[in-house]
Amino acid sequence: EAGVAQSPRYKIIEKRQSVAFWCNPISGHATLYWYQQILGQGPKLLIQFQNNGVVDDSQLPKDRFSAERLKGVDSTLKIQPAKLEDSAVYLCASSFQRLTDTQYFGPGTRLTVL
Amino acid sequence: AQKITQTQPGMFVQEKEAVTLDCTYDTSDQSYGLFWYKQPSSGEMIFLIYQGSYDEQNATEGRYSLNFQKARKSANLVISASQLGDSAMYFCAMRGYSGGGADGLTFGKGTHLIIQP
Repeated sequence: EAGVAQSPRYKIIEKRQSVAFWCNPISGHATLYWYQQILGQGPKLLIQFQNNGVVDDSQLPKDRFSAERLKGVDSTLKIQPAKLEDSAVYLCASSFQRLTDTQYFGPGTRLTVL
Repeated sequence: AQKITQTQPGMFVQEKEAVTLDCTYDTSDQSYGLFWYKQPSSGEMIFLIYQGSYDEQNATEGRYSLNFQKARKSANLVISASQLGDSAMYFCAMRGYSGGGADGLTFGKGTHLIIQP
């Protein structure tokens, strides 16, 4: 069974530029999560989708971050405009169903904002 | 609000020894889940073990076991017979049930485990 796929693996941009990350969850997983992991810290949830609907985006900085999961499968996370403090690893995770199942993580995208 | 505390920033352990990684948690939820993940230097988060708040027995998965003490709100990870490949960051995490189906994980800051030959 293929795991969670993410691309790109690495991205370097200058502040005020925009960037987008892509995630393809494990086949059949209805729930998808985006986490931000700043160096030296544990991951922090940004947004949770159930199929193509948002369940929780309370910690998403909506003035610059957006995310979508249009067909209930793949998801994209966008930052526009990026700030220096957005430098982090962005992790995508999926689970078969929420509240009962384990979340499985992708390899992450390491973003550096200069 | 949920909180996970990992008080050991780093640990050095001799190969083949057992190691205990500490985790304490705080939540007002009656039902919750506790997880441990391993993060090697390559960056991916690897699921190790899960304990539900109503599980009466401690969870075990191969060389991993979770020492769950509900009254003390602790969920320590025990790795038996450590191996060089166990060197990594280890994160304790909690899933609460705050309503509306939101179940994102709350993570601690992690423990950097180094296994020495």
